[in-house]
Amino acid sequence: QSVLTQPPSVSGAPGQTVTISCTGGSSNFGTGYDVQWYQQLPGAAPKLLIYGDIKRPSGVPDRFSGSKSGTSASLAISGLQAEDEAHYYCQSFDTNLREVFGGGTKLTVL
Amino acid sequence: QVQLVESGGGLVKPGGSLRLSCAASGFTFSDFYMGWIRQAPGTGLEWVSYIRGDGGNFYYADSVKGRFTISRDNAKTSLSLQMNSLSVEDTAVYYCVRLDGDYEAFNSWGQGTLVTVSS
Repeated sequence: QSVLTQPPSVSGAPGQTVTISCTGGSSNFGTGYDVQWYQQLPGAAPKLLIYGDIKRPSGVPDRFSGSKSGTSASLAISGLQAEDEAHYYCQSFDTNLREVFGGGTKLTVL
Repeated sequence: QVQLVESGGGLVKPGGSLRLSCAASGFTFSDFYMGWIRQAPGTGLEWVSYIRGDGGNFYYADSVKGRFTISRDNAKTSLSLQMNSLSVEDTAVYYCVRLDGDYEAFNSWGQGTLVTVSS
């Protein structure tokens, strides 16, 4: 059972927008800690996609956007492309456990 | 560019020990927290440990506390993880990671090294 809760899977057709949710609690998001998002392509190491709730590292397309409100965060992917098919993980700091991850969401591009 | 290259993974029996290493390059190593994150087969990510840039502070996940020891050699820009009393639950790909200086974000990852604990 992960401290941060994500849906196991989401799907969308090319060109569509999909959203992946990440629900935390009072010891992480509720305390004001940031959310990060990582993309893990098949057979590869995870890659930082979003940090500080909404910031994108250089090189990450602006099709990827993050948001957070209260104890919930979301990753939106617009203009869905076949190469976006991957696992996505949210992560934050937790006052009880330090670094915590969501269980991951598999994105399927139909 | 930032490069993190892990080594030391392999097959070990339950109760055994293993030492992982990570060679870092492309940045000022001593300026950053460095750590380890693992991923058991077919599952998600689990933070294991990290250590401050000067080596003066370190933290562990409860699942490894008392069994794993993280260390760093800033002169050699290398990070290590000594793993003792290994159990089958420690089977995973172990990633060497760099923590961002301003955010709790792991902004660089190695390719990972597989540790298999099996009799």
